[in-house]
Formats: sequence, C-alpha cells, structure tokens
Amino acid sequence: DVKVTQSSRYLVKRTGEKVFLECVQDMDHENMFWYRQDPGLGLRLIYFSYDVKMKEKGDIPEGYSVSREKKERFSLILESASTNQTSMYLCASSLSQTGRTEAFFGQGTRLTVV
Amino acid sequence: GQQVMQIPQYQHVQEGEDFTTYCNSSTTLSNIQWYKQRPGGHPVFLIQLVKSGEVKKQKRLTFQFGEAKKNSSLHITATQTTDVGTYFCAGPRTGANNLFFGTGTRLTVIP
Repeated sequence: DVKVTQSSRYLVKRTGEKVFLECVQDMDHENMFWYRQDPGLGLRLIYFSYDVKMKEKGDIPEGYSVSREKKERFSLILESASTNQTSMYLCASSLSQTGRTEAFFGQGTRLTVV
Repeated sequence: GQQVMQIPQYQHVQEGEDFTTYCNSSTTLSNIQWYKQRPGGHPVFLIQLVKSGEVKKQKRLTFQFGEAKKNSSLHITATQTTDVGTYFCAGPRTGANNLFFGTGTRLTVIP
C-alpha cells in the first residue's frame, strides 16, 4: 500500500521559532508537494519538487523554504513562524509531472503558532 | 491567474437526498480529478476524467466533464452518512506540471 507519512499530526510552536515539517514517501515518486489548507481557500501550493535538490515555488512561498536531499523526503521549513501560518499542512507525492496522475497525500500536520 | 471555483462551498442534506457539487475552471483543462477528504482526514483520489463530455460512475457517485472541458460536476444519489466530507476537484496547473485544486465543497449529511 502506498504511503506518504508526515512526521507530526499536531504541532504547537511559538512566534519566531524555526519549524520543520517532514514528509516521507515510499512509492519512489519523483514529484513531491507541500500544500496549505485553510477553510474556504481549498489547497494552496507552497512549494514543489520534481527531483532531488530541485525546488520550485508554488502560489504562496513567502515565509517558507523547502529541502529535498533524498528522493523520498521533502521538508517544509518555516524560517520564523508567525501566527498567520497557523494552518493544516499537507504533503503529497505523484508519479508523473503532467498533472495527469493522482496525488497521494499524507495525513496532514495541524500547526498552531502562538 | 488560474482559478478553479466550486459551488456550493457548504451543503447540508437529509440522508437519502441527492447532492451535486460543481467545479468551474477559468481555463480549459486537459483532465480533471476529484478527491474526497473525510473530516479529520486527508484528500483521497476518487477519479480522473479526460475526454470532453465524459461521464463516469462509481456506485452512487456520477462524475461528468463538460463539453468545453472547463467545468465538471459530482452527483451523489441518495446520500448516506458515509458521504460526509469535503469534495475537491483539481486540474493541471497552467504552464506547470502539477495540480491546481478547487476551493472544495463540504457536505454534511443529517441522519
């Protein structure tokens, strides 16, 4: 069974802290994505990666960075957490770059910044 | 910029009633996907439509892709409490090779 695993289900961090969200997939997928989910706004793409050490900005990259040192792992970094980054964060992976193959999602990390 | 809007944003139905959510894209899509997210869960792929005017069924769920490939719909016949969740449509992002998700429709089924 395919699996995308996010390191934490719930996180509470203080304003200004550096936050790491980890995501691992076991499907040997080239493509990995970080989305943010907020009520009424759907899923918004933060960053994505098509290959190791490769990254591309999505719709809302400000305040975030990413790291992909290994094919199976894609990390999202909040350099200095702020309260407006309180949200649900979803990692996903897919086999193809074309948007024609399904995305597999992790269970999500609900981050609260206080 | 590219937009994918879904209506309604919320829908409450009595168990046994039908439900429809509509997805409208600002651009023509080569394909469209539908996902379901249960409360407290993560989005799970349901189906993909590729051809203009395509209709696909999964038990009580009927998916349709518009002739102009700019809109799609998901219809659930005789809803059950297990249908509760948020339904998202998604299409390829213009000029890039990843998915652009719609705003979602949250379905509540009243027993």
